[in-house]
Amino acid sequence: GENVEQHPSTLSVQEGDSAVIKCTYSDSASNYFPWYKQELGKGPQLIIDIRSNVGEKKDQRIAVTLNKTAKHFSLHITETQPEDSAVYFCAIENTNAGKSTFGDGTTLTVKP
Amino acid sequence: NAGVTQTPKFQVLKTGQSMTLQCAQDMNHEYMSWYRQDPGMGLRLIHYSVGAGITDQGEVPNGYNVSRSTTEDFPLRLLSAAPSQTSVYFCASSLGTRLNTEAFFGQGTRLTVV
Repeated sequence: GENVEQHPSTLSVQEGDSAVIKCTYSDSASNYFPWYKQELGKGPQLIIDIRSNVGEKKDQRIAVTLNKTAKHFSLHITETQPEDSAVYFCAIENTNAGKSTFGDGTTLTVKP
Repeated sequence: NAGVTQTPKFQVLKTGQSMTLQCAQDMNHEYMSWYRQDPGMGLRLIHYSVGAGITDQGEVPNGYNVSRSTTEDFPLRLLSAAPSQTSVYFCASSLGTRLNTEAFFGQGTRLTVV
C-alpha cells in the first residue's frame, strides 16, 4: 500500500536560516503532494501543494520541489521566522482513490 | 462558512463505553475523512467517504464505524472504547475534484479512554 517517509522528525534552525524537510514515497500512482502546517492545538492547514506534472512551485518564502522519478519531494522555507515554528506534514494522494497518506511530521523550531 | 466543525472538543470515556464524534462541513465537499493523531505517528486514516452513501476503510478502521447519510455530516462511532483509542481525532473534507483537492481540517477532538 501507500507509504511515505518524512525526515527529519525534528529540526531546529536560527531565525533567518533556511529549513528543508524531505519526504519519500513508494506509490507511483500518487499524483498530488501537499504540505500541511499544524500549530499547537489546531488542525493541519495546507500551506503549499504540487501536482505530478510540475517540478517546483514557490509561494513567497516557501517552495516545494518534486522528483517523480526518484519519488521524493521537499519543502523549503527560506528566511525562517519564529512564527514558522510548528509541525509540518507531507502527504501523498492518488486523486482517483480519494484518500491521502501522511508522513509522521517534522517539528520545526525557529530560534530568535 | 464555518468550514469543518467537530464536536466535542474534549471527551473522557470509560473503557467499554460507546460514543459518536460529530463532524459537519458547510462547503458542499464530497470527500470527508477521519484521522487519528498519536505522538510521533502522524495522521492515520481511519475511514473515509467519497460521497453520500459511500464509505470505505482506511489504515486503522478497527473499533470504529462511520456512515454518510448526507453530504454535510460524517460521524465517527466508537462501539466499545478501549485505552488504545486515546488520541486526537481530526475530521477533514475536500472538494475532491481532480484539480482541487485541498483538505480542510476541523479543530480536533481530544479523546481519553480510562
